[in-house]
Amino acid sequence: DAGVTQSPTHLIKTRGQQVTLRCSPKSGHDTVSWYQQALGQGPQFIFQYYEEEERQRGNFPDRFSGHQFPNYSSELNVNALLLGDSALYLCASTTRSREWGSSYNSPLHFGNGTRLTVT
Amino acid sequence: KNQVEQSPQSLIILEGKNCTLQCNYTVSPFSNLRWYKQDTGRGPVSLTIMTFSENTKSNGRYTATLDADTKQSSLHITASQLSDSASYICVVSVRSGGYQKVTFGIGTKLQVIP
Repeated sequence: DAGVTQSPTHLIKTRGQQVTLRCSPKSGHDTVSWYQQALGQGPQFIFQYYEEEERQRGNFPDRFSGHQFPNYSSELNVNALLLGDSALYLCASTTRSREWGSSYNSPLHFGNGTRLTVT
Repeated sequence: KNQVEQSPQSLIILEGKNCTLQCNYTVSPFSNLRWYKQDTGRGPVSLTIMTFSENTKSNGRYTATLDADTKQSSLHITASQLSDSASYICVVSVRSGGYQKVTFGIGTKLQVIP
């Protein structure tokens, strides 16, 4: 049973470029969230996708966009990269059960992230 | 001010010793509190999840406590091992429009030395 997989594992981009990161959720999961983790900091919520729609969004500019595909996999796109975008980008998946009570207490399963370096 | 604060920021202990990490939160309405372990360069891994009605939960050598009245949680690690060296992150969830909204602490960096 594959867990959450992210690609690529490492990426180096130049300021002003665009980048796309990919995430495949754990088998059976339908909800995907993206997080940015700067060095020495806790993860910061970017957005969450369910049923191919963005459901929640954190305090990130429109340069950060995403997509979820019918197979529940997801992409994170960042345009006009800044030096401050250098971070570990984590994807997490869970199941948004129709029984809302149980879904609230479902653990988030994280991938090992994509390390993005902007030079 | 971070809505989820953890202390200490870092900790060094000898192998075999016990330690306790603290988490204080202000977010509401509270749904659940989770502790994650994050090895360097890896994604966080869930250790425990506690809801409002639970005040303690164990996972092997890890025991988490929760006081929802004072909005405090602790993670106790017994008989520490070198492999416990990692960052431990406290995560608090609130209900928001039918979804979970999670707030992460900065984490406590634990180093276990021989």
